[in-house]
Amino acid sequence: AQKITQTQPGMFVQEKEAVTLDCTYDTSDQSYGLFWYKQPSSGEMIFLIYQGSYDEQNATEGRYSLNFQKARKSANLVISASQLGDSAMYFCAMREGKTSYDKVIFGPGTSLSVIP
Amino acid sequence: KAGVTQTPRYLIKTRGQQVTLSCSPISGHRSVSWYQQTPGQGLQFLFEYFSETQRNKGNFPGRFSGRQFSNSRSEMNVSTLELGDSALYLCASSPNGALQETQYFGPGTRLLVL
Repeated sequence: AQKITQTQPGMFVQEKEAVTLDCTYDTSDQSYGLFWYKQPSSGEMIFLIYQGSYDEQNATEGRYSLNFQKARKSANLVISASQLGDSAMYFCAMREGKTSYDKVIFGPGTSLSVIP
Repeated sequence: KAGVTQTPRYLIKTRGQQVTLSCSPISGHRSVSWYQQTPGQGLQFLFEYFSETQRNKGNFPGRFSGRQFSNSRSEMNVSTLELGDSALYLCASSPNGALQETQYFGPGTRLLVL
């Protein structure tokens, strides 16, 4: 079964508009971490934002915020004021807490295109 | 601090050959993980090393192996290359590989098997 689901293979957004990228996850652990990464066409994975399962507030990092709904097992990424440079693949990822160092599992990704 | 570096950046090999990829983590990071990324399978975890020991392994055949040196640098080896091994190989490092730690990725090595 998929541990990380990203239901939007591709999305378009107008420059300066906000966009939400969906991510749902599946885990039976109480302790886990959720990550979002950006991958431009160059290939390098760029860390955007982190949310711990016990964090009570939604994470924010500049124009990025994470809409964390624990009961729904949802961790959507919100990008405000989109820029042309935001065009890239976006991956949601999770590290579960069965051990202190479980592997990170990635979702299939969402391709975001920002239109001028 | 310098980021994660990977060498070589691009590689072309033929079927049956073997290849070694190198990864130097961020200074002070002791956990190094390797991933394979292909259009069909996405990002798949290969293995993770910490203090020269393999702690985690993904579902890949034994042709894929790795090691880590005392300075935390890591190498990944693929023997008897197959066409399906063509992929972007990404290395990521974190201080200890702990739950809340972010993994920082290198630029990747693009391997093409002909």
